[in-house]
Amino acid sequence: GAGVSQSPSNKVTEKGKDVELRCDPISGHTALYWYRQSLGQGLEFLIYFQGNSAPDKSGLPSDRFSAERTGGSVSTLTIQRTQQEDSAVYLCASSSYSGVTGELFFGEGSRLTVL
Amino acid sequence: RKEVEQDPGPFNVPEGATVAFNCTYSNSASQSFFWYRQDCRKEPKLLMSVYSSGNEDGRFTAQLNRASQYISLLIRDSKLSDSATYLCVVIRNTGGFKTIFGAGTRLFVKA
Repeated sequence: GAGVSQSPSNKVTEKGKDVELRCDPISGHTALYWYRQSLGQGLEFLIYFQGNSAPDKSGLPSDRFSAERTGGSVSTLTIQRTQQEDSAVYLCASSSYSGVTGELFFGEGSRLTVL
Repeated sequence: RKEVEQDPGPFNVPEGATVAFNCTYSNSASQSFFWYRQDCRKEPKLLMSVYSSGNEDGRFTAQLNRASQYISLLIRDSKLSDSATYLCVVIRNTGGFKTIFGAGTRLFVKA
């Protein structure tokens, strides 16, 4: 498809389990962001990849969270030993930052529920 | 202090009302400005870009004041369908581009 694709769309897991969330950005977009959004709250920045630069990990809430981006395209966000407070919608967005626009295109998100 | 700050909201207005949202940013390296809209349980989407000269898109007018580091969005003749969260967004270039979102202002338009 032409848009940002995320999977799974919904994930229910037990406390203590590891989860992986995947993001497939728009082809050619060099910038990729991960955000977290709890119900009724704003976007919480997690991590930012831009081209071949070292990722900006300043938003990761703990060392249980990690992300990688392989080949400058697909990204995986991994949460180890999930906790109930990790329950949220995890949104991925990509941009080409071409010209002046710099529009971020979001995926539909992965809704994570930790029981 | 957050880099991008918005009116806390929520704003509750009747149909037909005019409503204005304000946003301030603190990093002078900010170079591009936007308003995004997020509907309930949906992902954010670009509403409009914001230029120093001001720009209008139908009932929506956006304004930027670089000297005061202030951005505004005006919605005229509010519709029920305008109910959403409006996110102020800046792109700064400090050795590379980065997009920064405000926390958003929630708008409820009632019949």
